[in-house]
Amino acid sequence: EPEVTQTPSHQVTQMGQEVILRCVPISNHLYFYWYRQILGQKVEFLVSFYNNEISEKSEIFDDQFSVERPDGSNFTLKIRSTKLEDSAMYFCASSGQISNTEAFFGQGTRLTVV
Amino acid sequence: GENVEQHPSTLSVQEGDSAVIKCTYSDSASNYFPWYKQELGKGPQLIIDIRSNVGEKKDQRIAVTLNKTAKHFSLHITETQPEDSAVYFCAAYGWDTNAGKSTFGDGTTLTVKP
Repeated sequence: EPEVTQTPSHQVTQMGQEVILRCVPISNHLYFYWYRQILGQKVEFLVSFYNNEISEKSEIFDDQFSVERPDGSNFTLKIRSTKLEDSAMYFCASSGQISNTEAFFGQGTRLTVV
Repeated sequence: GENVEQHPSTLSVQEGDSAVIKCTYSDSASNYFPWYKQELGKGPQLIIDIRSNVGEKKDQRIAVTLNKTAKHFSLHITETQPEDSAVYFCAAYGWDTNAGKSTFGDGTTLTVKP
């Protein structure tokens, strides 16, 4: 069964450092998403991406965040200067259509900012 | 923007009993309502979804009902089993102006006691 894969599974970084979280969406999917889940809290939408541009982003997705699809298979989330409050699980998801269809989630990357 | 409320936050049932989780949403433009199951250390996994042109959908022991007028939808699990124990999230997805933007509920921790 096709799946969304994320690397690394756990990333520890110092405050102020840049991190890049990587995702390989399902191969024939066209829409890609990043979500964040702070420990014990709900899943929060960060950004959706289609046709090499951002479709929609939330208030959380400020100038510290950026997304990229560098090579046609990977989908990355970059946090430019990490803060303690960026510590969370980050989930990548992909879907075949922008709405009214299932989004498949990866297993997540646990980001710990120290 | 969309606001999704989910109740209860925790639910404990005996094996074999039914479990019901309810969500309300605020944006009448939302038209896709998935339910996700999240097991410890894993990403959310879709278990059932419903679109706005349908009032009820069933898949074996799981069913979802949608009342568009009242803006609420519910997850029903019958004949619960210990492996149903997990955190369940509802979500609401918009269309057009909110391409791909989803709002999740706060989650319900379901515990099925053997």
